[in-house]
Amino acid sequence: TQLLEQSPQFLSIQEGENLTVYCNSSSVFSSLQWYRQEPGEGPVLLVTVVTGGEVKKLKRLTFQFGDARKDSSLHITAAQPGDTGLYLCAGPFSGTYKYIFGTGTRLKVLA
Amino acid sequence: EAGVAQSPRYKIIEKRQSVAFWCNPISGHATLYWYQQILGQGPKLLIQFQNNGVVDDSQLPKDRFSAERLKGVDSTLKIQPAKLEDSAVYLCASSLGRQGHGQPQHFGDGTRLSIL
Repeated sequence: TQLLEQSPQFLSIQEGENLTVYCNSSSVFSSLQWYRQEPGEGPVLLVTVVTGGEVKKLKRLTFQFGDARKDSSLHITAAQPGDTGLYLCAGPFSGTYKYIFGTGTRLKVLA
Repeated sequence: EAGVAQSPRYKIIEKRQSVAFWCNPISGHATLYWYQQILGQGPKLLIQFQNNGVVDDSQLPKDRFSAERLKGVDSTLKIQPAKLEDSAVYLCASSLGRQGHGQPQHFGDGTRLSIL
């Protein structure tokens, strides 16, 4: 079974702190996407990374794809209450069209 | 552009009853997905359509779940009969093509199903 593990599962931090969320698998991805989901809504795409070692920035969010395309990280600088939500990594494993979501990281940023 | 539309937003039924969900994807999107999301977990793919053909239904409990996408546009997902463990949010998503390099999925807001 191909799994996509995220850590930590839960994170509660104060406004202004930095944090990193990890997404790990034993299998290679052809691409990987990060989503944020708020209560009562569907996931919303934040970024897609495709190339091993790729780094993308979206304002205070920095996304990195591992060199071997088996893992990824999301770093948030100076977190704000508006960053609160469920963060999900997802992607198709290389050579397949099976799209799998990670286990999710629930982030709460306290004002 | 209009987003992915799903209905109903909420549904409460008793176990062993039947229920159906409807999804209208973004216009022009060939690929449609149904996901089940249990509280606190990531979405699990149930079925993926490419136009009106099934690409992947390996995780669909076929003894009770069925889905169709007539004419390659709208789709319905049915559960018959429902079990307590089917309580979840059912998400529909669509994308221009099959999932691959840089193909984003666009999600609806889901249907929250509660089984009593």
